[in-house]
Amino acid sequence: AQKVTQAQTEISVVEKEDVTLDCVYETRDTTYYLFWYKQPPSGELVFLIRRNSFDEQNEISGRYSWNFQKSTSSFNFTITASQVVDSAVYFCALTPPGRALTFGSGTRLQVQP
Amino acid sequence: DGGITQSPKYLFRKEGQNVTLSCEQNLNHDAMYWYRQDPGQGLRLIYYSQIVNDFQKGDIAEGYSVSREKKESFPLTVTSAQKNPTAFYLCASSIDWGTSGSTDTQYFGPGTRLTVL
Repeated sequence: AQKVTQAQTEISVVEKEDVTLDCVYETRDTTYYLFWYKQPPSGELVFLIRRNSFDEQNEISGRYSWNFQKSTSSFNFTITASQVVDSAVYFCALTPPGRALTFGSGTRLQVQP
Repeated sequence: DGGITQSPKYLFRKEGQNVTLSCEQNLNHDAMYWYRQDPGQGLRLIYYSQIVNDFQKGDIAEGYSVSREKKESFPLTVTSAQKNPTAFYLCASSIDWGTSGSTDTQYFGPGTRLTVL
């Protein structure tokens, strides 16, 4: 069985603060993929990143960075210098090849001006 | 523009009625999915289709039905048997089902918000 835990239900920060969204997962598969999606108020899920279990390199994309640590089964997401437009619900998800995504319950991020 | 469209954006249904949600993609993706999202919760898989003329039940298929007669279309019918259908429904697609392990990324449509009156 697979499980994704996003323990932070809601986070509120002031613009320009850095914020980290936590994601912890459980799986017995040795090969799997991890994802982060953003859901703005409009409702559509926007794909942010995909990482496979063999690639533990951290990734940076502009103000976004991801820290994958297989030893702790975590795939955390950091937004640097947050902006109001970052306000959304963020979902972490997990899948082994050939199976459907398992989503976490999401973290609502509110960035105050 | 390539993408996934869902219609309608908002849908109201009376109790006891069946209703069909549309999902169309022009990405030439083989696999398509339907998810349900309830307030404050994550997404739960209703049905998925790996290829045309094939589909499988997800975690919460009871009270729903689907068809996959064309590659680009994967409509979802919410039947009167679904006891609590009010929710936000999201359709997604991916290049394939991921058997190769390299193309699992799912892309989502804008969603349909269904309310039962």
